[in-house]
Amino acid sequence: EAQVTQNPRYLITVTGKKLTVTCSQNMNHEYMSWYRQDPGLGLRQIYYSMNVEVTDKGDVPEGYKVSRKEKRNFPLILESPSPNQTSLYFCASSPTGTGYSNQPQHFGDGTRLSIL
Amino acid sequence: KQEVTQIPAALSVPEGENLVLNCSFTDSAIYNLQWFRQDPGKGLTSLLLIQSSQREQTSGRLNASLDKSSGRSTLYIAASQPGDSATYLCAVFFSPDTGNQFYFGTGTSLTVIP
Repeated sequence: EAQVTQNPRYLITVTGKKLTVTCSQNMNHEYMSWYRQDPGLGLRQIYYSMNVEVTDKGDVPEGYKVSRKEKRNFPLILESPSPNQTSLYFCASSPTGTGYSNQPQHFGDGTRLSIL
Repeated sequence: KQEVTQIPAALSVPEGENLVLNCSFTDSAIYNLQWFRQDPGKGLTSLLLIQSSQREQTSGRLNASLDKSSGRSTLYIAASQPGDSATYLCAVFFSPDTGNQFYFGTGTSLTVIP
């Protein structure tokens, strides 16, 4: 089954404790991205990756890191989490990030992160 | 900065009614536009994708249209059902000159009353 898998689904942690949210897709997609969803602000793109070893900042990259060492994985790293990073996070993938694709983005089920 | 707007933020209709959800965007240089559905506590499910060269796409009771010149897209839902209750989001992929990013609207929360 084609899917985007995020882990963990829920996490409560404390300020400053490094954490990683994993994302994996099994569709051989080139394009992967991370979003955060906040009430009243909608989904905002944090980072995206056009392919292996190619990553770029989205609209809200501060406080986050990503890496794309393999095509299927795109982890999101919070080196020193702060309370303003409490949010619902989504990973997504699509065949290509050029906009020419007629294939939609596939989303994971989300990770609810609470930073105390 | 690109902006995508969805109005209204919330909509409540009786079962069986036909309805239209709106999405507007600031730049006509779009490559594609997607409509998604989000159920509470769940991820996003793609409903329809319209390429910039297309005017509309249909899937079952759903029809999405695109008017680039006016910066608008509509999602038409025919004969609404309680199971259609969810938040509907539109996402726009603008020209790569502005970055290979998707921009989302804040969504319309739809409630279909039995």
